[in-house]
Amino acid sequence: AQSVTQLDSHVSVSEGTPVLLRCNYSSSYSPSLFWYVQHPNKGLQLLLKYTSAATLVKGINGFEAEFKKSETSFHLTKPSAHMSDAAEYFCVVTVGGAGGTSYGKLTFGQGTILTVHP
Amino acid sequence: NAGVTQTPKFRVLKTGQSMTLLCAQDMNHEYMYWYRQDPGMGLRLIHYSVGEGTTAKGEVPDGYNVSRLKKQNFLLGLESAAPSQTSVYFCASAGGDFTEAFFGQGTRLTVV
Repeated sequence: AQSVTQLDSHVSVSEGTPVLLRCNYSSSYSPSLFWYVQHPNKGLQLLLKYTSAATLVKGINGFEAEFKKSETSFHLTKPSAHMSDAAEYFCVVTVGGAGGTSYGKLTFGQGTILTVHP
Repeated sequence: NAGVTQTPKFRVLKTGQSMTLLCAQDMNHEYMYWYRQDPGMGLRLIHYSVGEGTTAKGEVPDGYNVSRLKKQNFLLGLESAAPSQTSVYFCASAGGDFTEAFFGQGTRLTVV
């Protein structure tokens, strides 16, 4: 089985300060992990992905995430928040074709709403 | 390249009515998914498919049925709509390497 937990339902930061959105996962197999962003009344956009290559992954708009197997975490960070970063962020896990009864399943966390104050 | 297309984009149903949502992808992807999105609950997996002719249950399958008769299409059916099925529905597809899942723009369904 696989699951993903986003540890904060809401995060509020000031513009220009760092962003940290936390994600822990559970998987019986080697996972692939993603972060998606959804702006209000919009669809989902891929920010970045980890698929068993480099553990530090860089994405679009200055975001990055580090895969830590020992901590089963995949936290999303950005050094300096911008007003346009205000959105909902989703951590997603899959084990692709390798994973037993979870084969092919793509599981979302509950989402973290990021608010950026001027 | 259209990517993932969902139809319709909006629909209002009366309780007890039936309807089918269509998801079409033009990327030759093996995997396809149907999710529902409700405030504070993220995207919850309804059903998914790992290839043409296959379907599997997700987290919240009750009240929904699916079919994948053609590789490019994944249909979600509601046989007897209930107000609890009011939600935004997203379809997604992914290739076998899982480098990215692509999402449709969503269907806003209201059941009154």
